[in-house]
Amino acid sequence: DAGVIQSPRHEVTEMGQEVTLRCKPISGHDYLFWYRQTMMRGLELLIYFNNNVPIDDSGMPEDRFSAKMPNASFSTLKIQPSEPRDSAVYFCASSLRRTDTEAFFGQGTRLTVV
Amino acid sequence: AQSVTQLGSHVSVSEGALVLLRCNYSSSVPPYLFWYVQYPNQGLQLLLKYTTGATLVKGINGFEAEFKKSETSFHLTKPSAHMSDAAEYFCAVRGGKLVFGAGTILRVKS
Repeated sequence: DAGVIQSPRHEVTEMGQEVTLRCKPISGHDYLFWYRQTMMRGLELLIYFNNNVPIDDSGMPEDRFSAKMPNASFSTLKIQPSEPRDSAVYFCASSLRRTDTEAFFGQGTRLTVV
Repeated sequence: AQSVTQLGSHVSVSEGALVLLRCNYSSSVPPYLFWYVQYPNQGLQLLLKYTTGATLVKGINGFEAEFKKSETSFHLTKPSAHMSDAAEYFCAVRGGKLVFGAGTILRVKS
């Protein structure tokens, strides 16, 4: 398996524009996590899915953020409209059903909003 | 609810010295605990994990960690630091969601 695949790896956009980050989890994994990493706030859990259903979105900072998982092999994180303070590295991770298993991380998307 | 506290945002050791990175957790259920490492501009990679059974767990690159329920701790150690160990290390606890500590940046001096 190729691991968790995120695209794009880098994104530069202007303030006010819509940004969509994409994630393909490892085949057969039931959990999918979206994290945001910044120097100031560290690694924050934004939302996670179990069997394509959002379980906890309490980490989503504002209504400008939304996440979907239309099927087991694809998820998106959308920011609309984007703001400079959204600049961060966004990670997607996936894991098997059992909660004693580790999550596997993608390489991340570095988002810069100017 | 689960949470993790990592003591020390930066740790500096000499090459060949003992590495000790501290992690304390809080969990309302039996915890599943993990240590991850992150190298610059990369994703997180699993070092080791504790689920059940033996409280001393060994991981990759010579690292190990000991689960101490009485102290709610899961400290990461390595007997002899190598320059290639310089990275950021994260402790994490899992119930359904996976929650990370703030991370500890390890610097290895030659």
